[in-house]
Amino acid sequence: KNEVEQSPQNLTAQEGEFITINCSYSVGISALHWLQQHPGGGIVSLFMLSSGKKKHGRLIATINIQEKHSSLHITASHPRDSAVYICAVREQGAQKLVFGQGTRLTINP
Amino acid sequence: DAGVTQSPTHLIKTRGQHVTLRCSPISGHKSVSWYQQVLGQGPQFIFQYYEKEERGRGNFPDRFSARQFPNYSSELNVNALLLGDSALYLCASSASGTGYYEQYFGPGTRLTVT
Repeated sequence: KNEVEQSPQNLTAQEGEFITINCSYSVGISALHWLQQHPGGGIVSLFMLSSGKKKHGRLIATINIQEKHSSLHITASHPRDSAVYICAVREQGAQKLVFGQGTRLTINP
Repeated sequence: DAGVTQSPTHLIKTRGQHVTLRCSPISGHKSVSWYQQVLGQGPQFIFQYYEKEERGRGNFPDRFSARQFPNYSSELNVNALLLGDSALYLCASSASGTGYYEQYFGPGTRLTVT
């Protein structure tokens, strides 16, 4: 079992829909990252959080430390949101990030 | 201010050859991490360097090595290339090596081994 599990693996939705991507992890962490990867490979950091909730534009990230679970929400989705969204955690006391396998999101116009 | 830069962008090598990939962190960042991303999978941690010292190593064979220079740039070296080394190699920099610090990713180097 992977330390970081994301669901769903693939998600297709219509423009304007509310999107939720989930991330569960099995280890104690110091931080959780949500990342966006477009075709071609470049990774952009969307959020880094260790508790509560963060919002940036149409994106919202939440984390529940007790349940070891985080969600990424996209409101009023748009075709330009189409990308792979990756959850990654930094274990407590560790140097590395451990990544989920990613969620491929496609928003159709 | 420039972000994390990596070179080259793309690279094609044959089995058995050696490759060197380069990464320049964001100015002021002292930590560089290397990740390998095979097509269709999430990135896997290879190395982290902080203040020119290795601070972490992933589950990769000794064919993989890295170093960090006094200006905090870094090189990843892979010897005796195998077909399975074909991947996107990502470099990330952060201000510190531990704890609650943002990581900034470079655009990656896509390595194809034939």
